[in-house]
Amino acid sequence: SQQGEEDPQALSIQEGENATMNCSYKTSINNLQWYRQNSGRGLVHLILIRSNEREKHSGRLRVTLDTSKKSSSLLITASRAADTASYFCATGPDSNYQLIWGAGTKLIIKP
Amino acid sequence: GAVVSQHPSWVICKSGTSVKIECRSLDFQATTMFWYRQFPKQSLMLMATSNEGSKATYEQGVEKDKFLINHASLTLSTLTVTSAHPEDSSFYICSARTGSLEDTQYFGPGTRLTVL
Repeated sequence: SQQGEEDPQALSIQEGENATMNCSYKTSINNLQWYRQNSGRGLVHLILIRSNEREKHSGRLRVTLDTSKKSSSLLITASRAADTASYFCATGPDSNYQLIWGAGTKLIIKP
Repeated sequence: GAVVSQHPSWVICKSGTSVKIECRSLDFQATTMFWYRQFPKQSLMLMATSNEGSKATYEQGVEKDKFLINHASLTLSTLTVTSAHPEDSSFYICSARTGSLEDTQYFGPGTRLTVL
């Protein structure tokens, strides 16, 4: 099932620039996760932020969470061509350990 | 990190045949596995949740007699698409939960099914 909305749906930037993607959700959550999917491949877990956290860093990734606005952002700094992929946010888990997925943002990094 | 494999990575079959897709957790025991379906340029659609040793829980609108799921062990779950038709062509992805407090799902690389 899906509850998240991500924007933008697509983002194209120059290599070296920062990329910001946003995710909004509707219900209360335990955590929010960001995943990356390269074309035709499976998903790779990037980062998890818990509902009592506001910001988290991992390498060039910075995730923020605003539970009052039910929104999260993923910032990729100093983008590289290899960052070209689709990025999904997922919230959860619910009582069945299921994640609820956003529609995804397609990120293109131009060399 | 936790690794999940899927086999085959792609399969082409004739309409009416059945196809089995395997999902294995290679270095951990997965109490729960999930099967997703993904259409081109769309997000993941959860098909079913599979717990070891029990019947899978299917999402609304997913035919359990068409998509048979067997979670026989803590490291293996299989999805069998029975009597496949062209509309079943899709990208099928499994994921597994380690059961840790992090609640992270680890994904297989996906299986591209094409039904002719």
